[in-house]
Amino acid sequence: ILNVEQSPQSLHVQEGDSTNFTCSFPSSNFYALHWYRWETAKSPEALFVMTLNGDEKKKGRISATLNTKEGYSYLYIKGSQPEDSATYLCASPTGANNLFFGTGTRLTVIP
Amino acid sequence: SAVISQKPSRDICQRGTSLTIQCQVDSQVTMMFWYRQQPGQSLTLIATANQGSEATYESGFVIDKFPISRPNLTFSTLTVSNMSPEDSSIYLCSATGGYYGYTFGSGTRLTVV
Repeated sequence: ILNVEQSPQSLHVQEGDSTNFTCSFPSSNFYALHWYRWETAKSPEALFVMTLNGDEKKKGRISATLNTKEGYSYLYIKGSQPEDSATYLCASPTGANNLFFGTGTRLTVIP
Repeated sequence: SAVISQKPSRDICQRGTSLTIQCQVDSQVTMMFWYRQQPGQSLTLIATANQGSEATYESGFVIDKFPISRPNLTFSTLTVSNMSPEDSSIYLCSATGGYYGYTFGSGTRLTVV
């Protein structure tokens, strides 16, 4: 069992604010770190797959960084919009190929 | 990447009954998984669905309660048997060909009354 943790559990921000969340994971036996965006009644949407220490990836207003030596990843959202409201999940694959998920950060962007 | 159709999207069931959830993938995939998210908890792996053989269950999950079928490389079902209110959760199927690409169904929100 991997210990993947996310913080905060929930977050309310005003439209236009920038925000960030944290995912921590075991630094040993690291394969990859996945970020997903999950809206109610929809499939989790893949945001990033990060594999190398120091990775930085960007998709529009969303970006992520990875530190495999200390076992954490940050997800940043710049200029939050109401449509960014969702649960953001991080997950790490185990040796058996299944994903081990954090509890998620539920983001609400207030117009 | 593969697309998964998961049905039903939600259901309200009486305790003691069973519900079967289906996932259909639009292409052949190597591995399929079933997860559960109880209220306020992480997505937790129930089992790996193995094509042509019995599923591999995680600790705390048993075949009698969560029978799984995977008759081919594009389809799997999960049954939640003899349901109780504690089974009220979101159930989610997933498929992958490796560590780097996973696809998911849209989830089944189950309420047991």
